[in-house]
Amino acid sequence: DAKTTQPPSMDCAEGRAANLPCNHSTISGNEYVYWYRQIHSQGPQYIIHGLKNNETNEMASLIITEDRKSSTLILPHATLRDTAVYYCIVLNAGGTSYGKLTFGQGTILTVHP
Amino acid sequence: SQTIHQWPATLVQPVGSPLSLECTVEGTSNPNLYWYRQAAGRGLQLLFYSVGIGQISSEVPQNLSASRPQDRQFILSSKKLLLSDSGFYLCAWRRGRTGHTGELFFGEGSRLTVL
Repeated sequence: DAKTTQPPSMDCAEGRAANLPCNHSTISGNEYVYWYRQIHSQGPQYIIHGLKNNETNEMASLIITEDRKSSTLILPHATLRDTAVYYCIVLNAGGTSYGKLTFGQGTILTVHP
Repeated sequence: SQTIHQWPATLVQPVGSPLSLECTVEGTSNPNLYWYRQAAGRGLQLLFYSVGIGQISSEVPQNLSASRPQDRQFILSSKKLLLSDSGFYLCAWRRGRTGHTGELFFGEGSRLTVL
């Protein structure tokens, strides 16, 4: 599975949009981009995933560049409860991956009042 | 709805003692099950995964073992704990056939301290 690169930390003001970037320049055609977050001392929480089209759900939006070498997770109106470590993961959609996620160091997002 | 339970939530064990962490999933059948570990200051590392009863795949050589005696039960064990086994252990599940490959649901975790 392709490797991802994320900034180690980011800050955001409460109520503003938080834009978290992720580089995955070696991504291949059948690999999806997944985003998870982990609030301190809790298990990771699935946020969103995409292949090549932009995706939106009740939690966030995912913007994937046309060449698929990078993506951005957008939290449209960040709250203090969004303070967490955010992980960008690339995973082969084929059956042999068995859902084995490889977590990197992620981005520590701190939302300030 | 589906739920995942993990216990105990916290435990402190002496070096050389045995370990048993248990995880059960409710509200689904034939899930894929996973054990991850997060050591202090480090990322999550996949330890074991299972696609069915009695089917266990180990991702890293270690002092731990896993078993799946029932469809929705996953157990992590050790005969003799090492100091390096300390960490935050997370159980997760995925829909076996109908779920998307990378959408996992995690439990609340078990924090193990080995002294």
